[in-house]
Amino acid sequence: AQSVTQLDSQVPVFEEAPVELRCNYSSSVSVYLFWYVQYPNQGLQLLLKYLSGSTLVKGINGFEAEFNKSQTSFHLRKPSVHISDTAEYFCAVSEYGGSQGNLIFGKGTKLSVKP
Amino acid sequence: DTAVSQTPKYLVTQMGNDKSIKCEQNLGHDTMYWYKQDSKKFLKIMFSYNNKELIINETVPNRFSPKSPDKAHLNLHINSLELGDSAVYFCASSQDRLPTQYFGPGTRLTVL
Repeated sequence: AQSVTQLDSQVPVFEEAPVELRCNYSSSVSVYLFWYVQYPNQGLQLLLKYLSGSTLVKGINGFEAEFNKSQTSFHLRKPSVHISDTAEYFCAVSEYGGSQGNLIFGKGTKLSVKP
Repeated sequence: DTAVSQTPKYLVTQMGNDKSIKCEQNLGHDTMYWYKQDSKKFLKIMFSYNNKELIINETVPNRFSPKSPDKAHLNLHINSLELGDSAVYFCASSQDRLPTQYFGPGTRLTVL
């Protein structure tokens, strides 16, 4: 069975500092990987995704993530954060050829950007 | 235009009542989903529908029933509401079981 682990439940950071939100997954088959962002009292917005091809993927709002198959990781990074990046971030995975569409989510990382 | 919309945004009701949450998508997708987000923000899939066929049911109590009148709509009916049903429910859609899903704004259900 597949699973997703987000290693940090909360990440406080100062404005304009770099940030990395960590995500590791477990699966016996190849996977698709996603990061979603949830701003306070809002829905989930797709930040970026890895389906195939280049392991470095760029998303909206200056975020990027790198798929590392050997380490089964998909860490999210931003070189300089803004106050407006304060939100909950979710890593998710779905399997090739599995219960297609069955997204498995991590427990989320709350990013708090301080001035 | 909103891609995936849900109504209502907030729903407060008493235990034992029956309620429905509506979801509509205008993306032309043919697979739709319902997720539950609990008080600790954990998201878990409940159902998905592809061309009116239920393809996932993740051990959800049978008090919950999805109904899809057409491929643009997937409504969630909940009978005999319990305190533990309090959560945020998200609808999502994707194209032909492709992995990328787009989510609605959520419905916060509070059972008193």
